[in-house]
Amino acid sequence: EPEVTQTPSHQVTQMGQEVILRCVPISNHLYFYWYRQILGQKVEFLVSFYNNEISEKSEIFDDQFSVERPDGSNFTLKIRSTKLEDSAMYFCASSEASFNYGYTFGSGTRLTVV
Amino acid sequence: AQKITQTQPGMFVQEKEAVTLDCTYDTSDQSYGLFWYKQPSSGEMIFLIYQGSYDEQNATEGRYSLNFQKARKSANLVISASQLGDSAMYFCAMSSNAGNMLTFGGGTRLMVKP
Repeated sequence: EPEVTQTPSHQVTQMGQEVILRCVPISNHLYFYWYRQILGQKVEFLVSFYNNEISEKSEIFDDQFSVERPDGSNFTLKIRSTKLEDSAMYFCASSEASFNYGYTFGSGTRLTVV
Repeated sequence: AQKITQTQPGMFVQEKEAVTLDCTYDTSDQSYGLFWYKQPSSGEMIFLIYQGSYDEQNATEGRYSLNFQKARKSANLVISASQLGDSAMYFCAMSSNAGNMLTFGGGTRLMVKP
């Protein structure tokens, strides 16, 4: 079964450093997403990406964050100048089409900022 | 704005018994989708079941069924014949044609007792 692949599975970074989280969505999917889950809390939407541009973003997704699809397969989330409160599980997801189709999630990257 | 409410932070169920996890939603959109995801302790998000707002029949997937009551805006997950491996966090989520992203509830932690 096709899957969304995220790397790395764990990342520890120093406060103030930049991190790049990587995702390989399912190949025929057109919509890509990043979500965040702070430990023990609900899953929060960050950003959606379609046709090589951001289609929607939440209030969380401020200037500290950026997304990119540098080639035909990868989808990245960059977090600049990380803060302690950025520590969370970050999930990448993709979907074939619009809202009434299934979203497939990757297994997540656990980011710890120290 | 969409809102998902899961009122049961934690639940116990005896192995082999059925359990219902509650989910209520609020939206002004006419067309939307409702999803349930399972998150085991390993952290990944596993898709369980989907219900479209215009689907007249309740969705079923193996031991999972979704009790969809549109007028009451509820989409409860029913797990039949609980197994020890069902112990996990369960999230209800929705999307709509107003935005492709998923909005998640706060989750219910299910613990299956042997």
